[in-house]
Amino acid sequence: QSVLTQPPSVSAAPGQKVIISCSGSNSDIGNNYVSWYQQLPGTAPKLLIYDNNERPSGIPDRFSGSKSGTSATLGITGLQTGDEADYYCGTWDSSLSAGVFGGGTKLTVL
Amino acid sequence: QVQLQESGPGLVKSSETLSLTCSVSGGSISSYYWSWIRQPPGKGLEWIGYVFYTGTTNYNPSLKSRVAISVDTSKSQFSLKLSSVTAADTAVYYCARDRVLFSFDMWGQGTMVTVSS
Repeated sequence: QSVLTQPPSVSAAPGQKVIISCSGSNSDIGNNYVSWYQQLPGTAPKLLIYDNNERPSGIPDRFSGSKSGTSATLGITGLQTGDEADYYCGTWDSSLSAGVFGGGTKLTVL
Repeated sequence: QVQLQESGPGLVKSSETLSLTCSVSGGSISSYYWSWIRQPPGKGLEWIGYVFYTGTTNYNPSLKSRVAISVDTSKSQFSLKLSSVTAADTAVYYCARDRVLFSFDMWGQGTMVTVSS
């Protein structure tokens, strides 16, 4: 059971928008930066968002992140079939002194 | 462009020690934290621990008694040792660079390790 809670799956049509949530607590999301990762089938995860809402170079602005209190969200607009992947949130847990990930959300673009 | 590459045995016997090495090329190993992360088949990601280039380490409490991560800056490598393995340790093991506290901007391709009885 993961420390951070994500919905197991989300789906939307091409061109639409989807939001993936990540819920935690004061010791993790509430007091630390959140990052988001995209994992395409059979590949290593890729950093999409760091420091709650920053995008690394090369990540399109269709991907956005936000944080409020003990929850964070990843938004994806203009969905493409190539966005079908597993998405993970991650952060530091100050009470555990350890890194924690969400259980992952499978995105299906119908 | 920084590249990371995991290497080590793909099959380890139960109760023995899993040993993996991550080679860093195209950039310096200094000034970053370097982590090991694993993913059991069909499951999510689990952070194992990190080593700073100075040798400072921090481990996941759930694995702390069995894990050791070390760095060799002269070879631009860092390594993972996980002792007393069981079938539950079967996973794809990734090495990754942590740009700042828990945001991994560079990943190795991953290596599958199976624990056999």
